[in-house]
Amino acid sequence: NAGVTQTPKFQVLKTGQSMTLQCAQDMNHEYMSWYRQDPGMGLRLIHYSVGAGITDQGEVPNGYNVSRSTTEDFPLRLLSAAPSQTSVYFCASSQQGALPDTQYFGPGTRLTVL
Amino acid sequence: RKEVEQDPGPFNVPEGATVAFNCTYSNSASQSFFWYRQDCRKEPKLLMSVYSSGNEDGRFTAQLNRASQYISLLIRDSKLSDSATYLCVVSLMEYGNKLVFGAGTILRVKS
Repeated sequence: NAGVTQTPKFQVLKTGQSMTLQCAQDMNHEYMSWYRQDPGMGLRLIHYSVGAGITDQGEVPNGYNVSRSTTEDFPLRLLSAAPSQTSVYFCASSQQGALPDTQYFGPGTRLTVL
Repeated sequence: RKEVEQDPGPFNVPEGATVAFNCTYSNSASQSFFWYRQDCRKEPKLLMSVYSSGNEDGRFTAQLNRASQYISLLIRDSKLSDSATYLCVVSLMEYGNKLVFGAGTILRVKS
């Protein structure tokens, strides 16, 4: 199993550009989520999905879109990049249940917006 | 007030020392509790879950005090390889079992 994979590892964008961060998992997990991690702050939930075709907003969704057409893939789209979106982005997946199981994280994407 | 608060450190300790981290959480509806470890520029990884009865995994002991909304992690006989950031994490039912992360406590173990 590859676990959770993310591409690209690094990305530099100019303000106003759009791009998609890719996330895939091969563990047949129902729950997938995107977080951003900024210095001095905990990881913050951007969007999440409890299964294919179902997505919902987390605590900091503005400026980001997601879709979940398959169980495996959960891409994150930046619509019009802003310097405030400079961050490290982690995708995670886990089994869906009454209580959260271990979340498995991808290696992260380091995004800089100039 | 942050939902999960931790002392950012850094805690600088010699090899073999015992070190303890504390964490407080604000939402009494928090359901599950975890310690994650994050190495520099890497993804977080689960270190251990935390139960009310307390639990131990080798050199690591975690405790939960629901009444005080307080979680602790004790590391005995510190190794150089323990150097990392330790994240206190709680779960909430909102957002489909949302995980709320503390900002982390930095541990540096020196020889």
